[in-house]
Amino acid sequence: KAGVTQTPRYLIKTRGQQVTLSCSPISGHRSVSWYQQTPGQGLQFLFEYFSETQRNKGNFPGRFSGRQFSNSRSEMNVSTLELGDSALYLCASSSGTAGANVLTFGAGSRLTVL
Amino acid sequence: GIQVEQSPPDLILQEGANSTLRCNFSDSVNNLQWFHQNPWGQLINLFYIPSGTKQNGRLSATTVATERYSLLYISSSQTTDSGVYFCAVASSGNTPLVFGKGTRLSVIA
Repeated sequence: KAGVTQTPRYLIKTRGQQVTLSCSPISGHRSVSWYQQTPGQGLQFLFEYFSETQRNKGNFPGRFSGRQFSNSRSEMNVSTLELGDSALYLCASSSGTAGANVLTFGAGSRLTVL
Repeated sequence: GIQVEQSPPDLILQEGANSTLRCNFSDSVNNLQWFHQNPWGQLINLFYIPSGTKQNGRLSATTVATERYSLLYISSSQTTDSGVYFCAVASSGNTPLVFGKGTRLSVIA
């Protein structure tokens, strides 16, 4: 069974630009969650999509957005990049079933904002 | 929201030693997972353990839900065990997992 695939793995952007990250979940998984990891704040929840609907949302500004397609693949977008957006962005997929929501993470997309 | 505290924050072990990592949480949970993050950033799920005890090779975990803590045991540690261990919990339904700050483990030969 293929794992969770995130692309791109590394990217460098400058302040003010926007970026789109992609996540392909494990086949059959309907839930995709996104987390931001920084040395100062640790792992912080961004949002979760289940069957193309945003089911949960973390405490991030509106510059951070996402969506999920009918094949469960998900994208997240960050507009007007700031230096503080430099981070490892991790995507996780799961069945999405309450009480058995085991997350499997991708390798991450490491974003550097200059 | 629910709070997660992990201890110790850092741990250095000689190869072959045993260790216990602790995770305290502030509310009842219906989901608790332990993860290992390797030096390349990959998060690997070790255990899904909202209650009870599980073992997988040299690793085992115990969650005492009524007392709001979980323990991860690593026996006969190897250098490949190095990395950061995270505990993550969710309190109800489909609420997202909240991560602790992790325990950074260094195993030296």
